[in-house]
Order: sequence, then C-alpha cells, then structure tokens
Amino acid sequence: DTGVSQDPRHKITKRGQNVTFRCDPISEHNRLYWYRQTLGQGPEFLTYFQNEAQLEKSRLLSDRFSAERPKGSFSTLEIQRTEQGDSAMYLCASSARDRGDTGELFFGEGSRLTVL
Amino acid sequence: GDSVTQMEGPVTLSEEAFLTINCTYTATGYPSLFWYVQYPGEGLQLLLKATKADDKGSNKGFEATYRKETTSFHLEKGSVQVSDSAVYFCALSAPFGNEKLTFGTGTRLTIIP
Repeated sequence: DTGVSQDPRHKITKRGQNVTFRCDPISEHNRLYWYRQTLGQGPEFLTYFQNEAQLEKSRLLSDRFSAERPKGSFSTLEIQRTEQGDSAMYLCASSARDRGDTGELFFGEGSRLTVL
Repeated sequence: GDSVTQMEGPVTLSEEAFLTINCTYTATGYPSLFWYVQYPGEGLQLLLKATKADDKGSNKGFEATYRKETTSFHLEKGSVQVSDSAVYFCALSAPFGNEKLTFGTGTRLTIIP
C-alpha cells in the first residue's frame, strides 16, 4: 500500500535560497492539494490540481511560490527567495473525489522547512 | 469566509475517561464536516465525517453528530485509551465543488495510564 509520499522530509536552508518539495500522490488519485501548517495551527490551504490543471490558488501563495503538476502525477512546490516566515510544514494530500462529492483526503507526512 | 473554531488544548485525561472535543463552524450553506487525527510521527488521517445535518460519523469508538442548529460537530468517545493520544483537527469542506478543507487549530490529546 503506497500512500502519499513527500520529499525531502526536512529541509534547512538559508534566507534567500530557493527550495523545492516533491509530492507523489496515490497513483489513481486525480486531485492533489498543498497545505501549509505552522506550529500550533491547523493546515492552511495553498493550492490544488485536478490532473495537471491548477484549479485554485490561495492568497497565501505569494508570487515567490509556484506549484506544478506537469503530467498529472507528481507535483512540485517551489519557494523562491525564502524568508524566515516561510518556515513551516508543507503538506501534500490527494483524493479521487468527483466534482460535487465530498470525500477523504489522504495526506503525506509533510516536508518541514526551516529557514535560517 | 468559512472558519472552524476548535476547543483549545492541550487536553490530558486518564485512561477510560470520557472525551469531548468541541468544534463549531461558520460557513455558507451546508458544508461537509470532518475530524482528522495526527498520531505522533504520522500524517493526517481521516477519523470520521458527516455530510448533512443530523448525520453521525463514527469510527474507532469516536462519534460526532452534525448539528446544523448549533453549527457544531463535537467529537466524543466514551472510554479513551493511551493509543488515542494524538492531535485532533476539526475541518469543513464547502458544498458545490469547492474542494479545499478549512481546518481548526487542532487539539492535542494526551491519555495517561
């Protein structure tokens, strides 16, 4: 049983550097989501894809953030010119929900970013 | 906008105690409601859900009832175990194709033997 996998699990970087996170969803899932979670808070929605199309982006996703899902399978989340405020856990989730249905999101274990 | 207000923690209980974690929400229309749980070192996973008013979600001895009149979805368990120690998140999903989940801040539960 292969769930949602994220890589790397932990990234430490210096302010101003670029970082990229990868998410591999459950193989038959067509929808993929990115969330950000800071200490003591619940996850906050960033963006989601249906297949390769990015259907919604949160206002939290500044122009330093970009997400892609080029072939409708894995996804990457890149943060350019990192700032200390970007330090957080970045969560990926996938689902096979059809439009108008409410179903379960399957989450990965997250990629923790620490910006020094 | 949509929001979820969750009972603040941390909560510490003795084994076999009764558990209630309060959750209320603000949303337009009739959202679907969820409880997710995060065990130490693991990813978030769905615990239970309810998609319409008066529905009761249940799993692993946990229950929550969708109360439209009080906009609540409180989590309950009659007898907690040490293995229930985790962080619990209440969440909602708006109707009509809006896919994103809005989460509460989470409640850390610790059960002592």
